[in-house]
Amino acid sequence: GAVVSQHPSRVICKSGTSVKIECRSLDFQATTMFWYRQFPKQSLMLMATSNEGSKATYEQGVEKDKFLINHASLTLSTLTVTSAHPEDSSFYICSARDPGQKDQPQHFGDGTRLSIL
Amino acid sequence: EDQVTQSPEALRLQEGESSSLNCSYTVSGLRGLFWYRQDPGKGPEFLFTLYSAGEEKEKERLKATLTKKESFLHITAPKPEDSATYLCAVQLTGGGNKLTFGTGTQLKVEL
Repeated sequence: GAVVSQHPSRVICKSGTSVKIECRSLDFQATTMFWYRQFPKQSLMLMATSNEGSKATYEQGVEKDKFLINHASLTLSTLTVTSAHPEDSSFYICSARDPGQKDQPQHFGDGTRLSIL
Repeated sequence: EDQVTQSPEALRLQEGESSSLNCSYTVSGLRGLFWYRQDPGKGPEFLFTLYSAGEEKEKERLKATLTKKESFLHITAPKPEDSATYLCAVQLTGGGNKLTFGTGTQLKVEL
């Protein structure tokens, strides 16, 4: 089945650091990828939709200058958390849509646990 | 405003004790409803897609049903390995491929 790989799985860094998270679709081409944020014991909140070759679409309240998204190819999207602060600590999950599987809208990666000290 | 609400928030069952999880939705137009399973520290794993009221899908001990207002995930004779958080999500007409998730039900099945 379709697989989405997310890297790294865990990041611990100092306040003020910028952190890049990669999301790859391994066996299909994804024109659309999604980035979510999940706080402990809460559900997934969509941050932005990443479109290959064009600008990402951000959800209301998400700072596009803080969370930079680049979808440079049909198999890779990156999320960069710029100048991260402790309040940015969270579980970030990406997903990708396989156009060949209409019944399964999104395949999810295993997430990145970001901890800002 | 489109809303997806899951209940209960947490559920503890004994092995073999069947139960149901609820997902209620109030949306402008439903294109599809999806159930996922999420283990701690992992991304959601796809379970079912339901498109129209009256539809049912089944896989091993799980069965998902859909009405015009809610969906149920029935768990028959659960085992400890069924312990996880179960999430439902809706896809709206005119909403592209975006998913709106409910808050999830944390299920623990004990021996």
